[in-house]
Amino acid sequence: RKEVEQDPGPFNVPEGATVAFNCTYSNSASQSFFWYRQDCRKEPKLLMSVYSSGNEDGRFTAQLNRASQYISLLIRDSKLSDSATYLCVVTGNTGNQFYFGTGTSLTVIP
Amino acid sequence: DGGITQSPKYLFRKEGQNVTLSCEQNLNHDAMYWYRQDPGQGLRLIYYSQIVNDFQKGDIAEGYSVSREKKESFPLTVTSAQKNPTAFYLCASSVTGAGNTIYFGEGSWLTVV
Repeated sequence: RKEVEQDPGPFNVPEGATVAFNCTYSNSASQSFFWYRQDCRKEPKLLMSVYSSGNEDGRFTAQLNRASQYISLLIRDSKLSDSATYLCVVTGNTGNQFYFGTGTSLTVIP
Repeated sequence: DGGITQSPKYLFRKEGQNVTLSCEQNLNHDAMYWYRQDPGQGLRLIYYSQIVNDFQKGDIAEGYSVSREKKESFPLTVTSAQKNPTAFYLCASSVTGAGNTIYFGEGSWLTVV
């Protein structure tokens, strides 16, 4: 079983739409959780960390559900510039190992 | 500027050749990593190092070698034993311990010709 699983999509949504991605992880002892954004042919960049209490950064909201072992990312009022691949990242027991999902592709359509 | 520098950005290798990808960081991070990404696929860990002069194999270490002689540097050698080396290679670093994020260099594109 993979450490982290994501729906690869693609998700094609119109501008202004709300879109949500989920990611499940297998290790109940995982320490930390993140969403990264990767543009085509570029390196992944940190979008936001994910906390049990949930956190919000502008149009982006991330949530963690430890009981069900999944994290989510909600993007409101989608912009063309949100088009990218979104990677779910989970650390191991000690926080020194990072496990990446395969990414969910989002295209925002004018 | 603080960050991770990878070079070269693009590299072409003839079959049977070894090539070395450079990775330098000035973030004072203890841990460094090498990942490989193939088109449409996720990142796969090749090697990682949490301290100078020590490193561990990741999931796909065969055909690769690394060294960690300095905290700032973690070069990756793609040897001729790696049968399908064409890919996007990403170097990363992080502070060790829970809650810390991982940062990436801009990546190196390796193509076998």
